[in-house]
Order: sequence, then C-alpha cells, then structure tokens
Amino acid sequence: GAGVSQSPSNKVTEKGKDVELRCDPISGHTALYWYRQSLGQGLEFLIYFQGNSAPDKSGLPSDRFSAERTGGSVSTLTIQRTQQEDSAVYLCASSPATSETQYFGPGTRLLVL
Amino acid sequence: DQQVKQNSPSLSVQEGRISILNCDYTNSMFDYFLWYKKYPAEGPTFLISISSIKDKNEDGRFTVFLNKSAKHLSLHIVPSQPGDSAVYFCAASDTGGGNKLTFGTGTQLKVEL
Repeated sequence: GAGVSQSPSNKVTEKGKDVELRCDPISGHTALYWYRQSLGQGLEFLIYFQGNSAPDKSGLPSDRFSAERTGGSVSTLTIQRTQQEDSAVYLCASSPATSETQYFGPGTRLLVL
Repeated sequence: DQQVKQNSPSLSVQEGRISILNCDYTNSMFDYFLWYKKYPAEGPTFLISISSIKDKNEDGRFTVFLNKSAKHLSLHIVPSQPGDSAVYFCAASDTGGGNKLTFGTGTQLKVEL
C-alpha cells in the first residue's frame, strides 16, 4: 500500500519568509510525528499527534514552529520567519495506534538562504 | 544531552562477514528500541525492533541484542551484503510517555566486495 508522502520534496526560501511543509500519513494510522535532521546530526523529535488528543509539542525549537493535523489525517508543519539554522531535512512518520513502529516519509529538504 | 549514542560514525566490512553496529543509551525510562536504515535522499526505513522485556530479536540476517544493565544494544548483520551499505540509526522510546523516538547520530556502514 501507499507509504507516508511529503511535499514539497525540496524547498529553497529566503530568510524571514514563512514555509509550509505537508505530510500525508499511511491511511488508518492515528499517530503522526514530525522530526528534523540537521546536517551531521541524528533525527530530532519536533511534535507528535495521536488521534484527537492534544499534540505533544515538546520538541518544537521555538514559537516560530507550529503544526496542525486536520481531520486526523494530513498534517502541515509551518515555520514562520525562517532562519538559516532552520535548514534541515524535515521528516514525517506515522504509526498505527497500537504499534510503536514508525514509518517515515522521504522528507522535505529545506534550505534557508 | 545525547541520550542515544552511536560512537562509531562509520564501519567498513567485507561482503559475507558480520557487521556489528553499536548503540548506547542513558535514559533508563527507554523501553523500546529500534534500528532504522537510511539511504541518501530517502527517509529512514524500519529494520528491526526490540522491547525491553527481551534481550534478543532476530529477523533473517538481522539480530538485535539488548543489554539493559549496560544500557547497550547492538545490531548484527550476517552475512553482510553490498546492498546493506547505508546509514544505520539506533532509536529509543519511552512508550509510557508517548512514542516519540530519540535517535542516535547514525553509523555509516560500507560493505565492500
């Protein structure tokens, strides 16, 4: 079946602009996660949605970052007033409610000039 | 504070031999551990996992060993194949605190002919 999809695959933006990154999880998966991988680093947790519960935002690095998940499916990660240090690969993952295994999308490569 | 550590950034192994990738963690609340494999420009692919109630899990050529007292896990690949060349990430979660994963920085495995 279809895996996790993300768009755009690449995004180049200028410092100070806002960007929106989209994630389509695997159908039926109730949990959705956002991570980012900066150059030479491991993956860093950002935010987690589980069903209708309030999201776990503990990993968001600043208030310029926000995310929403509409209808329990598609999620959008928004970065306002982008900075050069926001340049990274942003990865989305989803999992069934009863499983700890997370399945990742291909990522969005963000470059802030 | 790096809670999951992969101290070897790279490993080179001959085809047919065993590859052993190591991972250490510091958070005693972690109770579920996973290995992901990542090719360039792709998202991480789930490989194998282990719950803290076990000390070994095997799936084909891949075996994960967990030593809770040492807070150490390892991934064994035998026999190694050229297609196994990728970056391998160790990840851990505290399933009681949500399923957000904490990742190591990865080990680049190169399997040579």
